[in-house]
Amino acid sequence: QVQLVQSGSELKKPGASVKVSCKASGYTFTSYAMNWVRQAPGQGLEWMGWINTNTGNPTYAQGFTGRFVFSLDTSVSTAYLQISSLKAEDTAVYYCARDLGMESHFDYWGQGTLVTVSS
Amino acid sequence: SYELTQPLSVSVALGQTARITCGGNNIGSKNVHWYQQKPGQAPVLVIYRDSNRPSGIPERFSGSNSGNTATLTISRAQAGDEADYYCQVWDSSDRVFGGGTKLTVL
Repeated sequence: QVQLVQSGSELKKPGASVKVSCKASGYTFTSYAMNWVRQAPGQGLEWMGWINTNTGNPTYAQGFTGRFVFSLDTSVSTAYLQISSLKAEDTAVYYCARDLGMESHFDYWGQGTLVTVSS
Repeated sequence: SYELTQPLSVSVALGQTARITCGGNNIGSKNVHWYQQKPGQAPVLVIYRDSNRPSGIPERFSGSNSGNTATLTISRAQAGDEADYYCQVWDSSDRVFGGGTKLTVL
């Protein structure tokens, strides 16, 4: 069965970096795009961008350029989200979610990773 | 950028019908997807491409889309339907979420 399993919660100090992983199983990893979605405490879902799992080419949504990096390791079917120079406002749950592109939907989601930024 | 507008909250009596709207400019020309999110859980797809239900989603969930409004309808609402609901579309190659609607079952 399809699963997206994310790494565990992180507690970081301001200015530090964090890398969140999303390991896919149960399907051909390169057949689906991988997206990242942020949810700040008590807030809605915010699409951060996606990475083409065939080419490794990332696309970042407005507001997620500069400190945010999407990457892959296709040998282990894993996508990564790295955030540098962390700020308190980066505190959120981060989800990975796959879609087929071409106006399709997010059919499977990871369980979410809570990143807390606090001194 | 494309904006989707949802009511902050909708209330429905147990067993009645809830309708959650998602407004956007000519949204009827787009494919609309709906997600349910319960507290502490990841979102779950409940409707895709306006009106299609994934396997495992009850028939009580249905969707429509026309003009400037898409609607998620939940018939015979149950206590377990209480959750946040988000609509989502594509704008060019970007994915866009509505702000979310909290459904309360009274």
